[in-house]
Amino acid sequence: AQRVTQPEKLLSVFKGAPVELKCNYSYSGSPELFWYVQYSRQRLQLLLRHISRESIKGFTADLNKGETSFHLKKPFAQEEDSAMYYCALKGGAQKLVFGQGTRLTINP
Amino acid sequence: SQTIHQWPATLVQPVGSPLSLECTVEGTSNPNLYWYRQAAGRGLQLLFYSVGIGQISSEVPQNLSASRPQDRQFILSSKKLLLSDSGFYLCAWSSDSLILEAFFGQGTRLTVV
Repeated sequence: AQRVTQPEKLLSVFKGAPVELKCNYSYSGSPELFWYVQYSRQRLQLLLRHISRESIKGFTADLNKGETSFHLKKPFAQEEDSAMYYCALKGGAQKLVFGQGTRLTINP
Repeated sequence: SQTIHQWPATLVQPVGSPLSLECTVEGTSNPNLYWYRQAAGRGLQLLFYSVGIGQISSEVPQNLSASRPQDRQFILSSKKLLLSDSGFYLCAWSSDSLILEAFFGQGTRLTVV
């Protein structure tokens, strides 16, 4: 089965504090993992993908196959980071599944 | 450039009425197409996806069906809507080449009354 779990529905941190949004996955094959973000009144859009090993807007995510995790991290949160974040997994046959989402709120 | 159109943006339908939501993609060929339902606390639930014309994979048994009559057209339907079909429906597409992102439509807010 192909499954993504985001254990936190809500996460609130203060500006300047570190942020970590958790994501765990279940997939028997080699996964392709993504983080998507939805800002207020905007379409859902890609934030980053594990294959690129990139840092976007200060966010990074490392694939840990041993722990089947793909947590999203940022060392210093900014107010504009407030949004809904979804972890996603693309498995076989182009099936793309998402987690339940985490609403991140950055307090001033 | 590629674009995705989804309509209508909002829809209010009575219980028992039929449903047809349409999604079209421009600027690409042979896209992978997806229908999701977005609900608070449940995230993005994959309903259907398609890798080609006439090829539909159903993920959740329910009161909905999907069809792909043309390469870049994906339709979500129901013969008789239930109250529980209310929600926010999103269409998305992705390329079949390499590992590229999925692009989402603006969504349709469906309210069944």
